[in-house]
Amino acid sequence: DAGITQSPRHRVTETGTPVTLRCHQTENHRYMYWYRQDPGHGLRLIHYSYGVKDTDKGEVSDGYSVSRSKTEDFLLTLESATSSQTSVYFCAITTGTLANTGELFFGEGSRLTVL
Amino acid sequence: TQLLEQSPQFLSIQEGENLTVYCNSSSVFSSLQWYRQEPGEGPVLLVTVVTGGEVKKLKRLTFQFGDARKDSSLHITAAQPGDTGLYLCAGASNYQLIWGAGTKLIIKP
Repeated sequence: DAGITQSPRHRVTETGTPVTLRCHQTENHRYMYWYRQDPGHGLRLIHYSYGVKDTDKGEVSDGYSVSRSKTEDFLLTLESATSSQTSVYFCAITTGTLANTGELFFGEGSRLTVL
Repeated sequence: TQLLEQSPQFLSIQEGENLTVYCNSSSVFSSLQWYRQEPGEGPVLLVTVVTGGEVKKLKRLTFQFGDARKDSSLHITAAQPGDTGLYLCAGASNYQLIWGAGTKLIIKP
């Protein structure tokens, strides 16, 4: 058990509404990641964090923002949800570094449906 | 844009058969990871290969890293229903992980 919890696990919302997904870790790891997973695309990196208040964009960051005010929490926000953001979102932590990515430990995922 | 092409995308075979999943790229990776994911859960690491030509075995699963570190394969011998799942490869390059699209494997009893 890597000590990662995501909330909510399921969310249905309407286009244009704001949505925040929470990732909480109990391992005190520095690096945290948000991915989305869609059929045929594998995992795509949205944003990542390398410390408190230190975040950077991934390959599909448009329409998403993140915040990390505490080591244990990494929040992903959709300011105005669109149907193209319907997906399964995974949070992950690693014991490695950006230069030497170690094993990624994933949460159980948050399924978001935007109607 | 770096790509990691994974094939096949879907594979359904009978219990006891052998199979191979491939991940190919034109990019060189410093390491390559294989994950397995079950429905409703996050991926779980199976193995990391680091050295070109490296072969690692995990019970009936054999992982190989290409000599040029651009490709990798996963071979399962005598597949069992418990092997059913989504298999993902991920290559480490330039401070990031490049993910394959995944192979959905179904083993029928």
